[in-house]
Amino acid sequence: EIVLTQSPATLSLSPGERATLSCRAGQSLSDSYLAWYQQKPGQAPRLLIYETSRRATGIPDRFSGSGSGTDFTLTISRLEPGDFAVYYCQHYSSSPGWTFGQGTKVEIK
Amino acid sequence: QVQLVESGGGVVQPGRSLRLSCAASGIDFSNYGMHWVRQAPGKGLEWVAVISYEGKNRYYADSVKGRFTISRDNSKSTLYLQMDSLRADDTAVYYCAKDKYQLGNYFDYWGQGALVTVSS
Repeated sequence: EIVLTQSPATLSLSPGERATLSCRAGQSLSDSYLAWYQQKPGQAPRLLIYETSRRATGIPDRFSGSGSGTDFTLTISRLEPGDFAVYYCQHYSSSPGWTFGQGTKVEIK
Repeated sequence: QVQLVESGGGVVQPGRSLRLSCAASGIDFSNYGMHWVRQAPGKGLEWVAVISYEGKNRYYADSVKGRFTISRDNSKSTLYLQMDSLRADDTAVYYCAKDKYQLGNYFDYWGQGALVTVSS
């Protein structure tokens, strides 16, 4: 099982600022099968990014994903009020295994 | 539009059983793998189980293996999770989620969740 470690645990920023979230894998994700989800309080997670950098349908371009190997990043270029939430990275694989990072909370400073 | 609606949650005593259902609409249910993911109160997401589109392949997290059974009825567009020998640490919101394809992919749609509380 691949372990995903997200940092920081909490990110305190103001609207309009840039958010950079990290997800580190315990071993290389050679297939780049990494996704990012957003979860707001009381709601189900929502898919933002898949295959490291592809935006899901309807996701604004201020959200971007990058990375390779063991280090992956979700960047929110300019935070809007609705972006304050918890973000999870996920590894998925055709050889069955789905793991999530522990999450990063983006809160209003 | 795609809708996944969970039902069957509630309060159950340790050692007892509970069955969750997830009714799907807006998709050709029989074409997609389906997952259960849970979230303990105040905690992160934990993948629980997956079933392939035709029901032949099933995989479980170690934490539930031997106690939980995932199944599906494609004629009813419904996913199930039979939970036996429940423990206090199974307390969580349980989400059903649709695999992007038949198996082994990310989750493009999620239900709103069903709360399961295991307590005496």
